[in-house]
Formats: sequence, C-alpha cells, structure tokens
Amino acid sequence: DVKVTQSSRYLVKRTGEKVFLECVQDMDHENMFWYRQDPGLGLRLIYFSYDVKMKEKGDIPEGYSVSREKKERFSLILESASTNQTSMYLCASLPLAGDTDTQYFGPGTRLTVL
Amino acid sequence: RKEVEQDPGPFNVPEGATVAFNCTYSNSASQSFFWYRQDCRKEPKLLMSVYSSGNEDGRFTAQLNRASQYISLLIRDSKLSDSATYLCAVRRNGNQFYFGTGTSLTVIP
Repeated sequence: DVKVTQSSRYLVKRTGEKVFLECVQDMDHENMFWYRQDPGLGLRLIYFSYDVKMKEKGDIPEGYSVSREKKERFSLILESASTNQTSMYLCASLPLAGDTDTQYFGPGTRLTVL
Repeated sequence: RKEVEQDPGPFNVPEGATVAFNCTYSNSASQSFFWYRQDCRKEPKLLMSVYSSGNEDGRFTAQLNRASQYISLLIRDSKLSDSATYLCAVRRNGNQFYFGTGTSLTVIP
C-alpha cells in the first residue's frame, strides 16, 4: 500500500509566522502535490513537483513556496502566515506511470492561523 | 467554467436505497476518471477508477459518457457506512488532476 504521511494533523500558528508542512511518501513516486481544501471550494492545487528540485506552480501559489530536496519528501512553506491561509492542507503523490494511476493522499494537516 | 462540476447535495437517503451521483467535466482531452470517498475531516481515498466500458465493484457502479462529458457513480443497497462526501476527479496531460467539490451523502436508518 502507498503510504503518504504528513508531519502534523493539527497546527495552530500566529499571523506572520513562518510555517513548514512536511510530506513524505514511501513508494518512490516521482510526482508530489500540495493542495488546500476549503468548504465549497474543493481541492485547489498550490504547487506540484515532478522530480527532485523541480516544481511547478498550481492554481493558487501566492503566499506559498515549496522544497523538494529528496524524492520522498515535499515541503510546503508559508513564508508569513496569514489568517486566510487557515485551511486543510493535503499532500498527494503519483507514480510516473500510466494514465490509470491516480493520486494518493496523506492524512492532511488542519492549519489554523490566528 | 469549472473543469469539474458536481451537485454538492446533500443527498439524504434511507438505508437500502439506490443513489446516483453525476459529475461533468469541461475538457474533452481529459484522459482518466476517478471517484474518491472522503470522510469528515479525513483525506480523500480512492473509491474506484472509471473505465470507458463502465465498471462495478460490489454495490458500486461507475460509468463514463465521453460524448456528454460526464461520469456517474451508482450506489445500490445503501449502508449507513456509505455516508461520506464523494469527489470525482479527472486527469489529463500526464499529471494534471482536477477535482469536483464533492457530493455529500447521508444514509439514514
């Protein structure tokens, strides 16, 4: 079974703090993704990475950056947290294989910014 | 126009009922299709892929209509444990995924 883990299930931070969200997958997948999920808006892609040190902006990259130094680890960084970044953050991974493959999600980090 | 659209519901159905969800997608270049289940405050988990010829997994049947650009999920003999939000997803251009906002289902005793 694919296993995707995230560093925290719940996180509370203050406005202006730098926040690191970590994601690790154990299946040697090439692609990794960061989404946020908000009620009524669904899953929105923040960034994705298709290889080590490679990254692509998603639909809502503003206020976020990412780092992928190792294949199994993909970090999401909020440089200066703001209250509108309170959300559920989901990491996902995907093998570089056929079109029938789909993403596997980590358990999510529920971030609250006060 | 959104890439993927779903009726958010909620669908409230009695145990044993049959319920169907539809999901429309806007881009005809979409290649692969999936249904996910998401429980409250949990991550989405793959329920089933959707194949061109339609496919079944126990009480669940998924179908794809490329001409009309929609996918469907049919749940027969609903159980209390089926209560969840169901997300549809489409994949195109390799690693681009687009998700619907989900349809909420509550199965009532």
